[in-house]
Amino acid sequence: QGQLVQSGAEVRKPGASVKVSCKASGYTFTNYHIHWVRQAPGQGLEWMGIINPSGGSTIYAQKFQGRVIMTTETSTTTVYMEVNSLRSEDAAVYFCARDLRSLRRSDAFDIWGQGTMVTVS
Amino acid sequence: QSALTQPASVSESPGQSITIPCTGTNSDVGSYNFVSWYQQHPGEAPKLLIYDVSYRPSGVSDRFSGSKSGNTASLTISELQSEDEADYYCSSYINTTHVIFGGGTKLTVL
Repeated sequence: QGQLVQSGAEVRKPGASVKVSCKASGYTFTNYHIHWVRQAPGQGLEWMGIINPSGGSTIYAQKFQGRVIMTTETSTTTVYMEVNSLRSEDAAVYFCARDLRSLRRSDAFDIWGQGTMVTVS
Repeated sequence: QSALTQPASVSESPGQSITIPCTGTNSDVGSYNFVSWYQQHPGEAPKLLIYDVSYRPSGVSDRFSGSKSGNTASLTISELQSEDEADYYCSSYINTTHVIFGGGTKLTVL
């Protein structure tokens, strides 16, 4: 059980920033890590990083270090992912996904948000 | 690090079985039993099929099975059905903190 609902599509100019939200419901928010995964048009899945909603600790893929910020807001059971200095190659569908296991990582993603399309143009 | 290696496409007839390989290295697939498989239909979010190499989440058909040998993990789909036509992705734990995906395999059920 559980659900992740993401914010709607966004259009940004190159160099701008975008912040995507992911609201969790139906489970204990602070017990499960949230991952962010993106998918460029016609391309495969790319792991961006992980946040622990209990405390807010993060790990980012090397490619996104310094340009992506993941945060959590326990009061609203929402996780945010911000990408700065957008470039054309950041145009993609961004997914949040819940880690399968409670209280520790398993790096299997059992609940996914519906995806948020970000256009950079 | 480069993505895990999967064939770009595979095809098979309904009712048959097919195996999709996912090849990594000693730094990922070969070192950890944290390999997962996902199914993605066009326009949808991925769906978890297999985790920890060979375990199925509740609700996933037992026609899907996973295994691993050395640096290569595999997803086998038996008794193929038309609804199995989709993209399939493997993923693995890497470097103790990160996750890496395969490039994806498009399955066509002829």
